[in-house]
Amino acid sequence: AQSVTQLGSHVSVSEGALVLLRCNYSSSVPPYLFWYVQYPNQGLQLLLKYTSAATLVKGINGFEAEFKKSETSFHLTKPSAHMSDAAEYFCAVSDPSGGGADGLTFGKGTHLIIQP
Amino acid sequence: DAGVTQSPTHLIKTRGQHVTLRCSPISGHKSVSWYQQVLGQGPQFIFQYYEKEERGRGNFPDRFSARQFPNYSSELNVNALLLGDSALYLCASSLVGLAIETQYFGPGTRLLVL
Repeated sequence: AQSVTQLGSHVSVSEGALVLLRCNYSSSVPPYLFWYVQYPNQGLQLLLKYTSAATLVKGINGFEAEFKKSETSFHLTKPSAHMSDAAEYFCAVSDPSGGGADGLTFGKGTHLIIQP
Repeated sequence: DAGVTQSPTHLIKTRGQHVTLRCSPISGHKSVSWYQQVLGQGPQFIFQYYEKEERGRGNFPDRFSARQFPNYSSELNVNALLLGDSALYLCASSLVGLAIETQYFGPGTRLLVL
């Protein structure tokens, strides 16, 4: 069984500061990993995904994440926060051995607050 | 191109009633998945359908059922509604439903059970 832990239900940073959102996973096989963003009253939008190619993955809106197998982590970063980054962020895993039939397993989410 | 669409956007029901939620996938996508997102939590997987067949099911009671139509649209049905079924129900589509694929989410249907 897979699980995802997102440390920090709320993260607050100043505009222009580094954004770091943490995600650790538990999986019996190397998983596929995803970061989604959810704005208020909207669905989820993919930021980036790791599919066992490059360990450093670049996504949309200046976000990137690094897959670290030894730490079972896939933390999301952005060098300089913008007010428009304020949203809920979800880390999710997908089990390759299940062929996709098990869907995505999501973490509980991290609410990112940007202070002016 | 249109994204994933869901209807209705909001719904209010009372305990014991039945509800049907609808989803249209992105054109060309043959797989649809359903998720339940309770307030303050991450989405939880309910079903995956591919080519009108159920391929996967999460840990949800039999009150939850779904089906996929020949045009790849899908319905989620919930019987005997409970207060705890109040949530945002998200539909996601992908090409064929493989684990490596990106799932594209619709805006969701917000269900309130009174």
